Parts: sequence; C-alpha cells; structure tokens
Amino acid sequence: GESVGLHLPTLSVQEGDNSIINCAYSNSASDYFIWYKQESGKGPQFIIDIRSNMDKRQGQRVTVLLNKTVKHLSLQIAATQPGDSAVYFCAESGAGNNRKLIWGLGTSLAVNP
Amino acid sequence: DGGITQSPKYLFRKEGQNVTLSCEQNLNHDAMYWYRQDPGQGLRLIYYSQIVNDFQKGDIAEGYSVSREKKESFPLTVTSAQKNPTAFYLCASSTMDEQYFGPGTRLTVT
Repeated sequence: GESVGLHLPTLSVQEGDNSIINCAYSNSASDYFIWYKQESGKGPQFIIDIRSNMDKRQGQRVTVLLNKTVKHLSLQIAATQPGDSAVYFCAESGAGNNRKLIWGLGTSLAVNP
Repeated sequence: DGGITQSPKYLFRKEGQNVTLSCEQNLNHDAMYWYRQDPGQGLRLIYYSQIVNDFQKGDIAEGYSVSREKKESFPLTVTSAQKNPTAFYLCASSTMDEQYFGPGTRLTVT
C-alpha cells in the first residue's frame, strides 16, 4: 500500500540549533504535502505546505523541501526554541485520495535548553 | 472568531454505553473529518464527509457512526461495539487541502 513514513521517531536538539525532520512518501501521484505541529493534549496546527510543482517553500523560521525524485520531504526549523518541542507530522494528498490526507507516524522533537 | 469546537474536552463513560462527541465549525468548510489518536501514535481516519448528508468510512470505521445533517456539525457516536474506545478524538474541517483541527476530546471508557 501507499504510506508516508518518517525516518526518525524522535529528535533531540540544543536550543538555538537548526532541526531537520524527514519524511518519506511512496505515492508518486501525491501533489500536496503538509506539515503539522502537535503539542501535548492539543489538536495539530498547520505549519507549512508545498505543492508538487515546487521544490522549496519558506515560512517564518521554517522551510519545507520536496525531492520528488526520491520521494522525500523535510521540514527545517531554524534556531530551534523550547516552544518548538512537539510532535511533527507530515501528510500527503493527491487526486486519487478524494483530497484525504495520508498521515505519517510523527516525529517527536525535544529541545534541550 | 472562526474555528472548530469540540466538546467536551474530557469525557468518561462506562463500558457498554454509546457516547456522542460534538464537532462544530463556523469556517464554512464543506469537508469534515474524524480522527482517532492513541498515545504516541499518529492519526487514523474514522469517517469523513465532503458534503452535507453524505459521508464515507475511513480506515477504522467499525464501532463508530456519524451524521452530517448540517454543514456546521459532524457528530461522532462511539458505540458499544467499539472494542477499545479509550482514545483522543480529533475533528477537522477543510475547504481544499489544508485541514483545520479542533482541540480534541479525550474519551475514557472504563
């Protein structure tokens, strides 16, 4: 079946360092990718998204990179802060999924002061 | 103030009882979704609705039921047939691709 998977289930970084969270996907027909942040006991919050006609998109302190050749997605967080500690999920969707999101398993990011 | 509301935040029920979780949105979104999340796990789709009076099963629909009588509302009923109902339940809505989530309801069944 098609799935979205994450390379690292947990990631620990020092405050101020840059963080990179990776995600692999297997559905080449997916044309939309999105990253969410989920803090403990709360609903996921949108971070950034990217369409398949782009390779890179930047937001405030975050950058998403899409490599369609190897079906790889990454989220880069610059100058990681304690408030960035959360679980990060990638998700994909495509025309064949009725716009449903297919979710990855999540990566837990811990920021050490 | 636009958004998605879920109530209650915490819900406790005895085994064998049906329970209904509320989800309301004022974002004028056509599509709504219900997910289940277990501790340390990702999101699993229970049901989704792309338009009023229509809904489809997700990956884990057994033991759950939904209705979509109004665009703003998408209640989820956890029936006694659900073997492991204790979980964190998330409702979401969308107009295109991005889904907006509510704060979740934590259901505990004993």
